[in-house]
Amino acid sequence: AQSVTQLDSHVSVSEGTPVLLRCNYSSSYSPSLFWYVQHPNKGLQLLLKYTSAATLVKGINGFEAEFKKSETSFHLTKPSAHMSDAAEYFCVVTRGGGSYIPTFGRGTSLIVHP
Amino acid sequence: DTGVSQDPRHKITKRGQNVTFRCDPISEHNRLYWYRQTLGQGPEFLTYFQNEAQLEKSRLLSDRFSAERPKGSFSTLEIQRTEQGDSAMYLCASSLDGLHNSPLHFGNGTRLTVT
Repeated sequence: AQSVTQLDSHVSVSEGTPVLLRCNYSSSYSPSLFWYVQHPNKGLQLLLKYTSAATLVKGINGFEAEFKKSETSFHLTKPSAHMSDAAEYFCVVTRGGGSYIPTFGRGTSLIVHP
Repeated sequence: DTGVSQDPRHKITKRGQNVTFRCDPISEHNRLYWYRQTLGQGPEFLTYFQNEAQLEKSRLLSDRFSAERPKGSFSTLEIQRTEQGDSAMYLCASSLDGLHNSPLHFGNGTRLTVT
C-alpha cells in the first residue's frame, strides 16, 4: 500500500520570502513522487517529479524538492515566493512494479501576502 | 499536443437523474484515469483504463457508476440515479504509458452539482 501525508493544510508567506510545503510518503516499493499545482478554476499542472535519479529535483517556476529516503519526505521549496504562486499544491506518490495508482495528498493551500 | 479535454465543464442535475461525462485524452496516451475531487480534498482515484481495458476500480465507485473507453481513445463516466453526495469535480487524466514515473496530464474537470 502507499499513502502520502501533507503536513499543513494551509501555509501563509509574504511575497519574497521562502516557501516550504511538507510531504511525507509511505510506500512498500521504491516510489515515484510528484508535486502538482492547481490554480483556481484551472486544471492540475505538474510541477516536478522524482524517479530515483537525482534526489534534488528542479521543477517549473523556481520550485524544487528533495527526496530523503531516511525521512520518507519529499518537501517542496522555493527561495522567494511570488503572488502568482498562490494556489493549491498536491504531493503524489506512485510505486513501481506492475499496476499502480497515483495517490494524492489532501493538498496544501499556499497563501502569499503582498 | 491539444491536452486532455472534458465535457461538459459544468453539469447541474436533479437527484435521481442520470448524467454522463466525456473525456478525450492526449491522443498517444495509453492510460486514462478518472478521479473525483471534493472541496478541500485531494483527488480520489475512481478507475483507470489501459487502452480499452478497465483494469481497476476503487471501492468508492458504487454500482451506480460505470465507465467505458470503447476504442481506447475517449472515455465516458456515467452516474445513474444521482445523489447529492455525488456533487464533486470529476477529473480525467491521461499518461503516456503504465510506467510508475509517467506523469498525469489532467483536464479541467467537470463540476457536477446535484440538487
